[in-house]
Amino acid sequence: DAKTTQPPSMDCAEGRAANLPCNHSTISGNEYVYWYRQIHSQGPQYIIHGLKNNETNEMASLIITEDRKSSTLILPHATLRDTAVYYCIVKGGLGGANSKLTFGKGITLSVRP
Amino acid sequence: DTAVSQTPKYLVTQMGNDKSIKCEQNLGHDTMYWYKQDSKKFLKIMFSYNNKELIINETVPNRFSPKSPDKAHLNLHINSLELGDSAVYFCASSQNTNQPQHFGDGTRLSIL
Repeated sequence: DAKTTQPPSMDCAEGRAANLPCNHSTISGNEYVYWYRQIHSQGPQYIIHGLKNNETNEMASLIITEDRKSSTLILPHATLRDTAVYYCIVKGGLGGANSKLTFGKGITLSVRP
Repeated sequence: DTAVSQTPKYLVTQMGNDKSIKCEQNLGHDTMYWYKQDSKKFLKIMFSYNNKELIINETVPNRFSPKSPDKAHLNLHINSLELGDSAVYFCASSQNTNQPQHFGDGTRLSIL
């Protein structure tokens, strides 16, 4: 059972920022927010994760609200290759049996030329 | 230099057969996983091994048996294949149970 809700789809223009929202209102204190994406016919690809602070890496930025009930993944300059299904996942931080990723339906991002 | 590699990439076989899918990771990770993605594109965990020990076993039929001969390998053996086993099976690995997972490109299993 996914603990997150995401819109089913969105699109953005190439070169513009893509802001992908995610709600996780039941997140608990030791759970992280992870983002993965799946490009057609490929395996899921890790993007970024965070606990409560905002995070940035070479792929994206993750903004987590202060109450941690929602977050936004930002792709600063979307390209056509970013067209994919993006999954927002809440994952326990204790490891062991909590290490599994529970995928929901994700959000389909379409980047248009 | 593939990080997580699965073989075969495609597997077409008949109902009732027994087949295996192999997974190898060259990342030096301790934890490996098997996920199943069905025709509706839902991805679900099946098994996870940490240091060759089973730590996650979801409600998967016992026709599915994972085997981890060493930390770099996690193979999936399936007995008496059924039509409903048709899916894409993904292997993944992570440094430990707390780190991000790296996925292979999947094995597309089709049961005739």
